[in-house]
Amino acid sequence: DAGVIQSPRHEVTEMGQEVTLRCKPISGHNSLFWYRQTMMRGLELLIYFNNNVPIDDSGMPEDRFSAKMPNASFSTLKIQPSEPRDSAVYFCASTEAVTDTQYFGPGTRLTVL
Amino acid sequence: GNSVTQMEGPVTLSEEAFLTINCTYTATGYPSLFWYVQYPGEGLQLLLKATKADDKGSNKGFEATYRKETTSFHLEKGSVQVSDSAVYFCALSFNQAGTALIFGKGTTLSVSS
Repeated sequence: DAGVIQSPRHEVTEMGQEVTLRCKPISGHNSLFWYRQTMMRGLELLIYFNNNVPIDDSGMPEDRFSAKMPNASFSTLKIQPSEPRDSAVYFCASTEAVTDTQYFGPGTRLTVL
Repeated sequence: GNSVTQMEGPVTLSEEAFLTINCTYTATGYPSLFWYVQYPGEGLQLLLKATKADDKGSNKGFEATYRKETTSFHLEKGSVQVSDSAVYFCALSFNQAGTALIFGKGTTLSVSS
């Protein structure tokens, strides 16, 4: 099994630019989670989906952040416009229907200059 | 509300020392409890889990017992190795598919030879 796949692994951009992070969950998993990790705030849940439907987006920091899951095998997290305080590692995780064990991707390290 | 509290790190040990990382939780209902490990530059990996009171999760020499009476899930290992150096996260979720994990802030373990 390939595991959760995230791309890109590293992203460096300038303030004001649009950033799109991508995630492919494990095949057969129908829940997907986006997390952000920083030294100051630790690991924060941003949003999660069940069966491609957003369930809880209360962790999305502000309107500059948006997430979509157009089908069971793909999700995006978009930041527009990006700001230096968005610099963090963004993780995607997925879980199958009958278990609450989450499987994490390797993360995308975002640096906004 | 539901929350997880871990002992603050960093924890610094010599190889072959005994490890304990404390974790307590607050939850309404009966959650599942998890320990995840994050090695440098990687995503989180499930280390072990327990789904009901008095269950013991174990993996790679690590153990944790679900103690309902003390609302605790302390992580232990009898003899740590340099390769155990990582960040350890305690987490809970409820036994429903597609529910989010609630993480503690993480405890950094550094093991020296």
